[in-house]
Order: sequence, then structure tokens, then C-alpha cells
Amino acid sequence: GAVVSQHPSRVICKSGTSVKIECRSLDFQATTMFWYRQFPKQSLMLMATSNEGSKATYEQGVEKDKFLINHASLTLSTLTVTSAHPEDSSFYICSARGIQGELVKRGTDTEAFFGQGTRLTVV
Amino acid sequence: SQKIEQNSEALNIQEGKTATLTCNYTNYSPAYLQWYRQDPGRGPVFLLLIRENEKEKRKERLKVTFDTTLKQSLFHITASQPADSATYLCALKGTSGTYKYIFGTGTRLKVLA
Repeated sequence: GAVVSQHPSRVICKSGTSVKIECRSLDFQATTMFWYRQFPKQSLMLMATSNEGSKATYEQGVEKDKFLINHASLTLSTLTVTSAHPEDSSFYICSARGIQGELVKRGTDTEAFFGQGTRLTVV
Repeated sequence: SQKIEQNSEALNIQEGKTATLTCNYTNYSPAYLQWYRQDPGRGPVFLLLIRENEKEKRKERLKVTFDTTLKQSLFHITASQPADSATYLCALKGTSGTYKYIFGTGTRLKVLA
């Protein structure tokens, strides 16, 4: 399968500071990246979808000024949690989708792969 | 609204038995359905994808069925092993024209040695 690397895996920050999470597709070009949030024992909730070179599309209820997403290249997207508060503590996961058909041609059956996730704790 | 339901209660089975997990959906006609495995503190790992025109798909000890009439997918792990213990998520692709995935809440499987 294709590899998506997410960094850092864990981060603890003070309330009021900003935290940046990186998501990289290592061996394929990611035309679209998705950012999810997951609370304990709950499902992944999509926060936003970003296409390379354009503004991210946020899901209803997600503050775009709070969660800044940048997708400047075909291999890198970043999520910045600005002015973090304890309620922002969660598990954040990115997913990258390859160019249509590219991954399928390589024998992978899905077009979206996930990073390892980032555990954010705001104290 | 679109809804995906998985049995939220944990499933405990004995090693060597077949585990069967269920994914039901409503108000939805997905082109395909995917199953992922998620270990604690990790991102989901893709297991299998089944398309709407496929009834069944297999990969090693895994088998997925897809019944578009019942709006249900079943995920089977045969000859289960303790290493299969994890949370299993089903995911449906969003409405036509988008690539958003909607996830179920997942079912936690524990295989007892």
C-alpha cells in the first residue's frame, strides 16, 4: 500500500499556543487530503477536505480560523490548531487520496490512506 | 441523513473461531464500502474494499459481503487470532462527486487465547 506519514505522533501544548501537525504522502501524490478528529471510543469525524493549491472546505461546525489547513504541495498538508484550549485535546488523523486511478494501477484497492494520527493534549 | 451503524459493544470470541462484524447503513446508496482496522492510538489501516456490484470479497482470512438490498455489510475473520484484536471500522464514500468518507463508530473485537 501507499504510505502516509503524520508528525508528530504526540504533542502536549499550553493553552493559548498554536500547534502544527504535518501530513505527508511519501510515495504518491496526494491530490486531496482529509483531516479527521476522533474522540475516545467514537468514530472519525471529518473536519475538512483540502485540495492541493486551493482553500480547504470545512465541515459544518468546524471553525476555519481555529483549524488552519494548508495544502501547498502534492505531498504535504498541515493542520494548525490556533490558540489551543483543553477542549481541543483529541486524536487528529489525516488521510491522503492519490491521483485518480494512480494507486489502483499499483494494485491498491483503495484510494485513501491514513496517517498514524496525532494525540494532542492541551494543558 | 446518512447513517452508518456498527455494533458498538465489544465482541469477544475464542481463538480459532470466526468473528463476524456488522455494518448497516441508511439513507445511502454507496458505490463501495471499505473496512479498516484501527489499533489504540493509531490511524486506521485499510483492509478491504467491496463495490456495489460485488457480493463477496476475500483476502486471506478476511471475507466481506455487501448486500445493497439489506443495506448491510458483514465482515468475517476466520481462524481468529489474539493479534486480530482491534477496532474495526466500516466506511462509505460520500455522495457522488465527492471523496469524503463517512465512518461507522467501529466494533471492538477481542480474541481470547
